[in-house]
Amino acid sequence: EPEVTQTPSHQVTQMGQEVILRCVPISNHLYFYWYRQILGQKVEFLVSFYNNEISEKSEIFDDQFSVERPDGSNFTLKIRSTKLEDSAMYFCASSENRDTGELFFGEGSRLTVL
Amino acid sequence: AQKITQTQPGMFVQEKEAVTLDCTYDTSDQSYGLFWYKQPSSGEMIFLIYQGSYDEQNATEGRYSLNFQKARKSANLVISASQLGDSAMYFCAMSPDMNSGGYQKVTFGTGTKLQVIP
Repeated sequence: EPEVTQTPSHQVTQMGQEVILRCVPISNHLYFYWYRQILGQKVEFLVSFYNNEISEKSEIFDDQFSVERPDGSNFTLKIRSTKLEDSAMYFCASSENRDTGELFFGEGSRLTVL
Repeated sequence: AQKITQTQPGMFVQEKEAVTLDCTYDTSDQSYGLFWYKQPSSGEMIFLIYQGSYDEQNATEGRYSLNFQKARKSANLVISASQLGDSAMYFCAMSPDMNSGGYQKVTFGTGTKLQVIP
């Protein structure tokens, strides 16, 4: 069964460092998303991406964040200069179209900022 | 703006019994989608069920059914015949008007932790 894969599963970094989280969405999906979940809290939307551009982003997704689809398979989230409060589980998701209602989530990348 | 409210932080249910997880929502959109996701202790997010706002029938997927009451703005999840493996966090979520050109952002509730007792 096709699935969304994310790497790394866990990354520990020093405050101020750049981090890139990688995602491989399901191959025929057209819509891509990043969400985050701070430990013990709800899942929060960060950004959606369609047709090689950001279609919507939340207030959390400030200038420190960027997304890219550098090739036909990867979808990356870059945090330019990490802060302690960026520590969270980051989920990538993709969907085939807008009619089915189903987002397919990856297993998440846990980011710990020290 | 869309808002999802889950008022039950935690629930217990006896194995093989049915359980209802509450979800109410608020939106000014005429067209929207409602979802339930399961998050086991491993942390992954698993899609369970989807209801479109214009769907007249309640969605069902195996042991999961969504009790959609549009006038009351509620979208409760009913799990029938609970199993030990159902113990997890459950998130209610919604997406905005699907005619806006894509899913855009999905808003999640704070979740309900369900524990199934043998």
